[in-house]
Amino acid sequence: AQSVTQLGSHVSVSEGALVLLRCNYSSSVPPYLFWYVQYPNQGLQLLLKYTSAATLVKGINGFEAEFKKSETSFHLTKPSAHMSDAAEYFCAVSLRDDKIIFGKGTRLHILP
Amino acid sequence: SQTIHQWPATLVQPVGSPLSLECTVEGTSNPNLYWYRQAAGRGLQLLFYSVGIGQISSEVPQNLSASRPQDRQFILSSKKLLLSDSGFYLCAWSVLGLPGNTIYFGEGSWLTVV
Repeated sequence: AQSVTQLGSHVSVSEGALVLLRCNYSSSVPPYLFWYVQYPNQGLQLLLKYTSAATLVKGINGFEAEFKKSETSFHLTKPSAHMSDAAEYFCAVSLRDDKIIFGKGTRLHILP
Repeated sequence: SQTIHQWPATLVQPVGSPLSLECTVEGTSNPNLYWYRQAAGRGLQLLFYSVGIGQISSEVPQNLSASRPQDRQFILSSKKLLLSDSGFYLCAWSVLGLPGNTIYFGEGSWLTVV
């Protein structure tokens, strides 16, 4: 069965620094992969998704993620953190059915 | 455009009382529908998903149930709430039969069982 592991339940970066949120997946077939963001007391919004086209996926708000099959990873990055990026981020995986499985989430803190 | 509505937004219920959370989707037909629960430190847990009217798949055995009485309506229920049912409940939808398609979330419902 597919699964998703997000390394680090909390990550802190300084404003202007690189953001790196880690996600590893387990799947026996090529998966679809997603990153979602959740602001306090709100639902989740899609940041970006990988669907077997380009391995480097660009999303909203300057975020991007790279699919690395050899490492079974789909890490999320942003070159320069902004205070408004403080939120919880979820990595998710989907196979050929309609179920999407989410990781436990990583809360991103931005330090002034 | 498609929209998803979920209510109530917040709910405080005593242990042993019933629960009903409702979700409707507008602007699309025959969607996949989902109920997730988000508890502190546990991420998002898929509770139920539905690919059509009356078709419900349960992912986690518990005292909750789901129903889909209409194409775009999804209801989460319980006959007797437990303290452990507290959490943030999210309804979501996606396009049926399109693997890898985006899943769209409602704004969520906070349930506190006291």
